[in-house]
This record gives sequence, structure tokens and C-alpha cells, in this order.
Amino acid sequence: GAVVSQHPSRVICKSGTSVKIECRSLDFQATTMFWYRQFPKQSLMLMATSNEGSKATYEQGVEKDKFLINHASLTLSTLTVTSAHPEDSSFYICSALITGPGELFFGEGSRLTVL
Amino acid sequence: DAKTTQPPSMDCAEGRAANLPCNHSTISGNEYVYWYRQIHSQGPQYIIHGLKNNETNEMASLIITEDRKSSTLILPHATLRDTAVYYCIVRKGQNFVFGPGTRLSVLP
Repeated sequence: GAVVSQHPSRVICKSGTSVKIECRSLDFQATTMFWYRQFPKQSLMLMATSNEGSKATYEQGVEKDKFLINHASLTLSTLTVTSAHPEDSSFYICSALITGPGELFFGEGSRLTVL
Repeated sequence: DAKTTQPPSMDCAEGRAANLPCNHSTISGNEYVYWYRQIHSQGPQYIIHGLKNNETNEMASLIITEDRKSSTLILPHATLRDTAVYYCIVRKGQNFVFGPGTRLSVLP
């Protein structure tokens, strides 16, 4: 299947700093990517839908100024957690959609720990 | 979006078939059924999807009832590595909404 790569897989940062997570589709172009977060023992929660060349669409309750999403090319979307706090500690997962009734492929996830 | 209902957990003996049910009674005619699984601390892995016909690939089979209100994912010969949380998703347009899933434990 198609490959989606996330980087970094783990990151530890101090409270108040910003962290950028990259999501790349390695062998296909993705006009649409998604960002999820997952807390321990819970399911994935959709944060935002990222469309190449346009502003991301955020789910209700997700602060767009805190979670900055950029989808500047057909193979790269980035999520920046700005002024991170301990409650932002979570498993962040991106996915990329193959157009049509195709599959959604997921990255390996990025575990963020804010101290 | 159509909501899905899955049992929270299931056990299966190694080597036996694992049959994971999913109810999606409010599914619309143009909505696909997708199955993903997530092994601990990894991103979800695509398994299979279908619209109304039964589907089979190298990982699993998907059986969709004629009225499309429910489906079953079948892992024909479960191994210990199939232990994971399995998510049944009804997709409308670009939306993939994850429910709590079924935690499958394959036992030796």
C-alpha cells in the first residue's frame, strides 16, 4: 500500500515552546490530508482537514491559532503546536487520502510530551 | 454521518477465524464501509473496504449484508500479531470518523 511518513516519531519539549510535525506522502500525491489526535485508551479524534493550497478546515473545539496546519505541496502537510502546554501531550497522527473511493493511509504517529 | 456500533472487545484463538461484527443501520446508499486496525502506539493500518459486494484481499474478507445495515470483517487464520483495535468506519465523502472500535485479543 501507499506510504505516509511522519516526523518526528517522538518529541519532548518544554512548556511554552512550539513543535512542528511533518507528514509526507512518499509515493503518491495527496490533495487532502487529515490530522488526528489520540489520548491513551481512546479512539482517534479528527482535528482538521488539510487541503493543498488552501486553509485547513478545523473541527469544532480545535483552536486553529494553536494548531497551525500548512499543506503547501501535494506531498507535505505540517502541524505546528504553538506555545505547547502539558495538556497538549498526545499522540498525533496524520493521514493522506487517495482520491475517489480509495483508501486513507496513515502515518506512524508522533508522540508529543510537553514538560 | 452514519454511526457504527462494534463490540468493545473480543477474544479469538490463534489459528482460528476471527469474525468482527459492525452495525451501521443508518448507512446511506453512497457510503462505503472501511475497516482499519491499530496496533498499540502505531498509526492505523488499512485493511479493506466495500460498498455492497463482499470483498476479499490478502489480509481479510468483508461481508456486507444485503440491506447494508451491518458487516463482518473476517480474519481467516488469526495470529498473535493480529491483536489490535479494529475500527469499522462508514465513509461519506472525505469524512472518516473513528468510533471506539473492537479490541481483538488473539490468544495462544
